[in-house]
Amino acid sequence: QSALTQPPSVSGSPGQSVTISCTGTSSDIGSYNRVFWYQQPPGTAPKLLIYDVNNRPSGVPDRFSGSRSGNTASLTISGLQAEDEADYYCNSYTSSSTYVFGTGTKVTVL
Amino acid sequence: EVQLVQSGAEVKKAGESLKISCKHSGYSFTSYWLGWVRQMPGKGLEWMGITYPGDSKTRYNPSFEGQVTISVDKSITTAYLQWSSLKASDTAMYYCAAGYAFDYWGQGTLVTVSS
Repeated sequence: QSALTQPPSVSGSPGQSVTISCTGTSSDIGSYNRVFWYQQPPGTAPKLLIYDVNNRPSGVPDRFSGSRSGNTASLTISGLQAEDEADYYCNSYTSSSTYVFGTGTKVTVL
Repeated sequence: EVQLVQSGAEVKKAGESLKISCKHSGYSFTSYWLGWVRQMPGKGLEWMGITYPGDSKTRYNPSFEGQVTISVDKSITTAYLQWSSLKASDTAMYYCAAGYAFDYWGQGTLVTVSS
């Protein structure tokens, strides 16, 4: 299974908004609501940010939001903060009853 | 509080076998899917496979099927990832994660394989 496609890096100044795209196919993102986003600061384990396309677990700030259009999911970070600097990964259920991660995006706060 | 505690770092030689563990506490072990994720040095996350401890149903990423085995011991609420013959390319950090959305993660186990 091929990894979902994410931009290698995005950057923004504090307070700005950034959006990370995650492109898959009609066999994964385009067909299932099981799309997830994770944040991984350097040297730490990943943390769940978004589940089922656009839902936030308890404790995740509402600055983080998810959406989907066709075969592409997106994560938007509004009001960027220094602590948001991390790697971000999308993940989707697939028609093979497995899951696949995205290639990962490094967010830099300028 | 849900906790996943993984076994410690391993240094092995190519061709050796290995079994790493992930101990669960704080929730019903048989109620959530549990999976393993690989992260090679400086690289991204790779979904390896998942198992449902309730009925031991297991699914693998085709890239890992036949290369590793995922298992559980319900009596001690522990999941395992094992290799019968390690390769240098298995050098990576391995995470266990549990829950519908991989809500909970272990701290990771670093596996280093020398050739």
